[in-house]
Amino acid sequence: KQEVTQIPAALSVPEGENLVLNCSFTDSAIYNLQWFRQDPGKGLTSLLLIQSSQREQTSGRLNASLDKSSGRSTLYIAASQPGDSATYLCAVKDTGFQKLVFGTGTRLLVSP
Amino acid sequence: SAVISQKPSRDICQRGTSLTIQCQVDSQVTMMFWYRQQPGQSLTLIATANQGSEATYESGFVIDKFPISRPNLTFSTLTVSNMSPEDSSIYLCSVVEGTGELFFGEGSRLTVL
Repeated sequence: KQEVTQIPAALSVPEGENLVLNCSFTDSAIYNLQWFRQDPGKGLTSLLLIQSSQREQTSGRLNASLDKSSGRSTLYIAASQPGDSATYLCAVKDTGFQKLVFGTGTRLLVSP
Repeated sequence: SAVISQKPSRDICQRGTSLTIQCQVDSQVTMMFWYRQQPGQSLTLIATANQGSEATYESGFVIDKFPISRPNLTFSTLTVSNMSPEDSSIYLCSVVEGTGELFFGEGSRLTVL
């Protein structure tokens, strides 16, 4: 059974810092991995999708990497801004069940 | 990407009543899903809404408690029946696009008193 873990659970940084969020998964037979952002009480916004054949994806200040063999993905946020404050979730889709398994999230606070 | 609208965005309900949540997508999609997010928790899949047939429920979720309709490829409803305070959650509708990317609606925040 796929399990997804995100470390750290919470992170507080000053504005302008570069930061890395971590996501690990137990079963490397994945179809894809997706990073989301969730603002308090709101739905999820898709940030990046990495297919199993890819090693990284970039969108603006965000870069996500995938290492299937080690069961890890990282989300790199460059030059963080207060508007980046949110909870970041990673989710893994298995090749077998085709269902998304979500991590518990990292709550990010960027202070001005 | 698909634009997904959910109604209501939030509601406060009395114990024992039922609430129906609507999900409207601006394009035809094959797969629609309903998730629940309990306070402080991550997302849990309730069911896959199948067009023209009964929904497929995940372990721990049953049709009597969470009846789902999917009359066409752009619309679905989730009903939370006979509510109790434990049902207080955010309920989220989502769809998958051709790339495999999952998109979510804004969620419906339910509080049961």
